[in-house]
Amino acid sequence: EVQLVESGGGLVKPGGSLRLSCAASGFTFTKAWMSWVRQAPGKGLEWVGRIKSKTDGGTTDYAAPVKGRFTISRDDSKNTLSLQMNSLKTEDAAVYYCSTGVSWGQGTLVTVSS
Amino acid sequence: DVVMTQSPLSLPVTLGQPASISCRSSQSLVYSDGNTYLNWFQQRPGQSPRRLIYKVSNRDSGVPDRFSGSGSGTDFTLKISRVEAEDVGVYYCMQGTHWPWTFGQGTKVEIK
Repeated sequence: EVQLVESGGGLVKPGGSLRLSCAASGFTFTKAWMSWVRQAPGKGLEWVGRIKSKTDGGTTDYAAPVKGRFTISRDDSKNTLSLQMNSLKTEDAAVYYCSTGVSWGQGTLVTVSS
Repeated sequence: DVVMTQSPLSLPVTLGQPASISCRSSQSLVYSDGNTYLNWFQQRPGQSPRRLIYKVSNRDSGVPDRFSGSGSGTDFTLKISRVEAEDVGVYYCMQGTHWPWTFGQGTKVEIK
């Protein structure tokens, strides 16, 4: 059974940093393209970024609102996906989901407030 | 960015009746490999999204056959042949052809 478990969410002040993690199991993580998707309270879904498998180059792509502030990385030895978020803004507040595309985690809530 | 426009945004449906959601993209979703990466997601209240349909018309494992997807190019449709109570939620189309991948605004399906 595929499992994606996010962690690391919480309350942070504007301008602060936070690191999210996603523990993956039940599938071949090394072959998977992984993504972060967010959902602001009461709003729709927004793709944050993706990281390709190492065999496909391991490159990352980001949505414009987070480019230069967020960094996605993966540790294939630990089946873990990470999202480093810097210079956080109030508009970054959302539930952040880890996803393979077909499978999704339960999400972790990030609140950005002074 | 490719804009995905769904209609309607709210869809009250009688149990057992059909429902249809339209999704239009601002440019063609045909990729250079010939595939069209148009997906449909369901998000039930309080739950994470769940993919129902991939590449326009392919149902994911475990998805009831009352859900079907169709369309081509820029116009796509999700149909529920007979709505059940468990189908209540928000449905999103999503394009995976052009980066950044983008979602429609969502269509809220509720029971009349």
